[in-house]
Amino acid sequence: QVQLQESGPGLVKPSETLSLTCTVSGDSVTSFFWSWIRQPAGLGPEWIGYIYYSGSTLYNPSLESRATISVDTTKNQCSLKLTSVTAADTAVYYCARHFAEGGGTFDIWGHGTVVTVSS
Amino acid sequence: DIVLTQSPESLAVSLGERATINCKSSRSVFYTSTSKNYLAWYQQKPGQPPKLLIYWASVRQSGVPDRFSGSGSETDFTLTISSLQAEDVAVYYCHQYYSIPRTFGQGTRVEIK
Repeated sequence: QVQLQESGPGLVKPSETLSLTCTVSGDSVTSFFWSWIRQPAGLGPEWIGYIYYSGSTLYNPSLESRATISVDTTKNQCSLKLTSVTAADTAVYYCARHFAEGGGTFDIWGHGTVVTVSS
Repeated sequence: DIVLTQSPESLAVSLGERATINCKSSRSVFYTSTSKNYLAWYQQKPGQPPKLLIYWASVRQSGVPDRFSGSGSETDFTLTISSLQAEDVAVYYCHQYYSIPRTFGQGTRVEIK
């Protein structure tokens, strides 16, 4: 059974860097693509970007200047860094696996981790 | 960016009755070279991540009850729950994976009348 587990600080100060890790079990990060998605309270999800195990990445243009997604095949993890955070970055952050049979939509999601940006 | 507009924002349906949710895309999500619509539907219950119900606009994900069905093409799509059950109370999102950035609709809340 494939499981994704996000981890990282739940509270980040404004202007600092948000760092999250997604640990994959039951599958390999080399299997396909992996995305980070966030969801502010009461709103729809917002796609942040994705990575292929080779290191190829693609980002939402609205976040591209601040977001970096990386992968560690030895730890079977992918990570997200988001710099210069503000209150607008407060959200539940999810990692998700791309579904090859479905053309790249997301079939497995982590449970999400709540990140609050506040001083 | 492709904007997905869902309607209605919320609906209340009696148990056993049909629920219909619409999703209108600002641009076609039909890719002619594959003859597929790059549109998916998700269900989200409180405190849980979204769950994939439908992909390619009409293909039911493994394990999803057959009361859920998707239809439509290019810019207009529909998710239908043929006979609403209590466990279907949730927020439903459409999602396009045709172009970058991937985008989601604003959600439709389904409740029991």
